[in-house]
Amino acid sequence: AQSVTQLGSHVSVSEGALVLLRCNYSSSVPPYLFWYVQYPNQGLQLLLKYTTGATLVKGINGFEAEFKKSETSFHLTKPSAHMSDAAEYFCAVSPSGTYKYIFGTGTRLKVLA
Amino acid sequence: DAGVIQSPRHEVTEMGQEVTLRCKPISGHNSLFWYRQTMMRGLELLIYFNNNVPIDDSGMPEDRFSAKMPNASFSTLKIQPSEPRDSAVYFCASSDPSRQGAYEQYFGPGTRLTVT
Repeated sequence: AQSVTQLGSHVSVSEGALVLLRCNYSSSVPPYLFWYVQYPNQGLQLLLKYTTGATLVKGINGFEAEFKKSETSFHLTKPSAHMSDAAEYFCAVSPSGTYKYIFGTGTRLKVLA
Repeated sequence: DAGVIQSPRHEVTEMGQEVTLRCKPISGHNSLFWYRQTMMRGLELLIYFNNNVPIDDSGMPEDRFSAKMPNASFSTLKIQPSEPRDSAVYFCASSDPSRQGAYEQYFGPGTRLTVT
């Protein structure tokens, strides 16, 4: 069975500080991993994905994530937070080659001026 | 590309009324998903269509919910009769898994349903 755990339902960072959002997963088969962002009253937008190959993946808006199989993690980072990064972030896992996503419960990021 | 289109964006209805939510997937995408998002339960997959055929409807809460996809460019999610506990944001998403490496889903803006 697959599952996703996002540690911290709320994270606050100062503008210009490092953003680190944590995601751990469990999967009985090689996973595909995704990060989505949801701005208020909007749908989910894909930030980045890992399917195969390079374990460090870069996404939009300066975000990146690293797939660490030994730690079953896929943490999202951004070197310098911007006010516009304030949103809710969802990690999702999909057993490779299947359609089904398992979403985490989300982390709401607040950026302080 | 216009992205996934959903209508209406907001729906307020009274308990017992029929509600129909609509979705137009991205052109060329052959997979379509309906999700429900609530504070208590997060994002839940309700039903998945591939090539207009329902493949997995195990997430549909009960018989009051039904979904159809009469063609590749249109899908509906119907609730009849609606109940206050159906209040949520309903998202439609589409994807094109036939394209190598393209496993991501693209989400519409959602329909916020309030049942009073």
